[in-house]
Amino acid sequence: GDSVTQMEGPVTLSEEAFLTINCTYTATGYPSLFWYVQYPGEGLQLLLKATKADDKGSNKGFEATYRKETTSFHLEKGSVQVSDSAVYFCALSGGGGADGLTFGKGTHLIIQP
Amino acid sequence: DAMVIQNPRYQVTQFGKPVTLSCSQTLNHNVMYWYQQKSSQAPKLLFHYYDKDFNNEADTPDNFQSRRPNTSFCFLDIRSPGLGDAAMYLCATSRDDSGTYEQYFGPGTRLTVT
Repeated sequence: GDSVTQMEGPVTLSEEAFLTINCTYTATGYPSLFWYVQYPGEGLQLLLKATKADDKGSNKGFEATYRKETTSFHLEKGSVQVSDSAVYFCALSGGGGADGLTFGKGTHLIIQP
Repeated sequence: DAMVIQNPRYQVTQFGKPVTLSCSQTLNHNVMYWYQQKSSQAPKLLFHYYDKDFNNEADTPDNFQSRRPNTSFCFLDIRSPGLGDAAMYLCATSRDDSGTYEQYFGPGTRLTVT
């Protein structure tokens, strides 16, 4: 079945540091890929998405590129802020239209001032 | 703004006492999902409605039921909550014809079982 593997945290960085959170996936067919962010006590917010190979999703300074050859969708940001502290989930949709999302275990990001 | 709303945000129930969580959406999406998220874990899909069609995940306990009276509303019923059912319950929606299949989540209901 489908699966998502992402680096587990916590990941602790200083403000303005460069961020990479690795995500790799296993899926049949051509999944859509997502990054969701969850702030404490809140639901999940869609951060960015990509639906086909070489697509780059971007939002709020975050970027991720759909790499089919390496089955990866790594999340990057050039300069993190304290407000970026949250849990980040990589996820995929198998493309069935109504399928549930398959999530990675989540990466807790802590940004220190 | 179009959104997914969950009520209540926090629910406390007693062991074995039935409880209902509600979700409503103004997105007019035809698919609605319920996920269970335990502390420091990824969300786990319980079931979803594709229009009026109910789709249960194979490992969802019988203790969990759902109702969708119309497009906008969906309910999660826990018939006899156990201590292990304490979790955050997330409702999500999507459109099956969106082509991108992203799901939009509500803020969640934190369930405590005493």
